[in-house]
Amino acid sequence: DTGVSQNPRHKITKRGQNVTFRCDPISEHNRLYWYRQTLGQGPEFLTYFQNEAQLEKSRLLSDRFSAERPKGSFSTLEIQRTEQGDSAMYLCASSLATGVHEQYFGPGTRLTVT
Amino acid sequence: AQSVSQHNHHVILSEAASLELGCNYSYGGTVNLFWYVQYPGQHLQLLLKYFSGDPLVKGIKGFEAEFIKSKFSFNLRKPSVQWSDTAEYFCAVITMNSGYSTLTFGKGTMLLVSP
Repeated sequence: DTGVSQNPRHKITKRGQNVTFRCDPISEHNRLYWYRQTLGQGPEFLTYFQNEAQLEKSRLLSDRFSAERPKGSFSTLEIQRTEQGDSAMYLCASSLATGVHEQYFGPGTRLTVT
Repeated sequence: AQSVSQHNHHVILSEAASLELGCNYSYGGTVNLFWYVQYPGQHLQLLLKYFSGDPLVKGIKGFEAEFIKSKFSFNLRKPSVQWSDTAEYFCAVITMNSGYSTLTFGKGTMLLVSP
C-alpha cells in the first residue's frame, strides 16, 4: 500500500500522560500536514512541513503539542500532559509542494484521554 | 480568516433520488475548492476539485460540483444516488490567506441513502 499511513490507529491514555503519533507520507510527497477532527466537526489544521521545515502552526497547537519531521520523511506529533479536551482523531495528510495539490489523507489516530 | 459552511448536517435520501449538498465559503480572493468523502470506516478521499477554468467539475462516482463565484458557492450534485454513497461529505477551501497550503473544512454533511 503506497498511501499515507499512521500509527497507532487507536490510543487510550490517562490524563497527564504523554503520547506520540507517527505519520508516514506518500514517498514522493514533500509536504506533510497534521489536522485534528472532533465529533461533528470537519478536520482543523494544526501544522505543516515542507521537507523537514515546519512552515506553519495553527493557534490550535498549544505549547503542549510538538511536531517534528527530522529527515523530511515521516513525522511525529507529540502531546505532553494530555487533557480530556485532546480527545480527537488526529489526521495526517501529504501532498506535492509545487503549486496547489490535493492532499492525501491517512486513516488517522483516534486518541481517547480518560 | 476564511470559513466554509455546509448547509445540512444530515441528509436522508432513497436510492435513485437526486442529491445536492450546499457549500458556501467566505473569502474574497482566489480560491481552490474541494469535496472530500469519508465512507464508513475509511479515510478521507478526494471526490473532486476546482482550481480554475470550467466552473462545472466532474469527479469520481458520478459526482459533480459547480463553482459559482458570485454566490461564493461550490455545491455538490449527483443525479441518482446509490446505497453505496452513504458517507460523510466535506467541502474544503484553500486560499491565498493560507499561502495556498492548508485546507479549511466545513463541518461535514452525513448522507444516508436507504435502499
